[in-house]
Amino acid sequence: EVQLVESGGGLVKPGGSLRLSCAASGFTFSSYSMNWVRQAPGKGLEWVSSISSSSSYIYYADSVKGRFTISRDNAKNSLYLQMNSLRAEDTAVYYCARVQVAVADTPLDYWGQGTLVTVSS
Amino acid sequence: SYELTQPPSVSVSPGQTASITCSGDKLGDKYACWYQQKPGQSPVLVIYQDSKRPSGIPERFSGSNSGNTATLTISGTQAMDEADYYCQAWDSSLRVFGTGTKVTVL
Repeated sequence: EVQLVESGGGLVKPGGSLRLSCAASGFTFSSYSMNWVRQAPGKGLEWVSSISSSSSYIYYADSVKGRFTISRDNAKNSLYLQMNSLRAEDTAVYYCARVQVAVADTPLDYWGQGTLVTVSS
Repeated sequence: SYELTQPPSVSVSPGQTASITCSGDKLGDKYACWYQQKPGQSPVLVIYQDSKRPSGIPERFSGSNSGNTATLTISGTQAMDEADYYCQAWDSSLRVFGTGTKVTVL
């Protein structure tokens, strides 16, 4: 069974940093691209970042570029999101999600339960 | 930046058909997929590559995409289909989500 379990969320002051983790199991993690998607309270989904299976290709939404860093450790079956210079508008539930392979539009076929990040003084 | 626009809400009676639209510039030239999100839960993929259903998704969910509009259709809507629905497409290397539609089954 595919499982994605996020951790690392919490309350942080504006300008602070936080590192999110996503532990993957039930599939060959090193073969899949992964994404982070966030959802502000009562709002819609917003794509944050993606990383290819070997970390060769990394992309960010304009809203987080230069402040967030995505990474992965295939030996530990883990995905990370380092968030720096946090702002109030970064407050959201952060989901990690797996990219479906061998499909033209590479949708997100499995999602974690999410971890809440609150940026407030 | 690329935008995908959905109606904020759609209401449907049980057993009837609900249609949710997603509009974007030349969206028909891209692939669209759809996610369902029930309150307090994580999103679930219900349609990919415009019209394909993942394993385990009921046949009452179908999709199409042409021109500037992708459409998710729920036939014979059930109470359990009440949820938020999001379309998603690609703009260059960036994944774009639609604004979301709340489907209410009255």
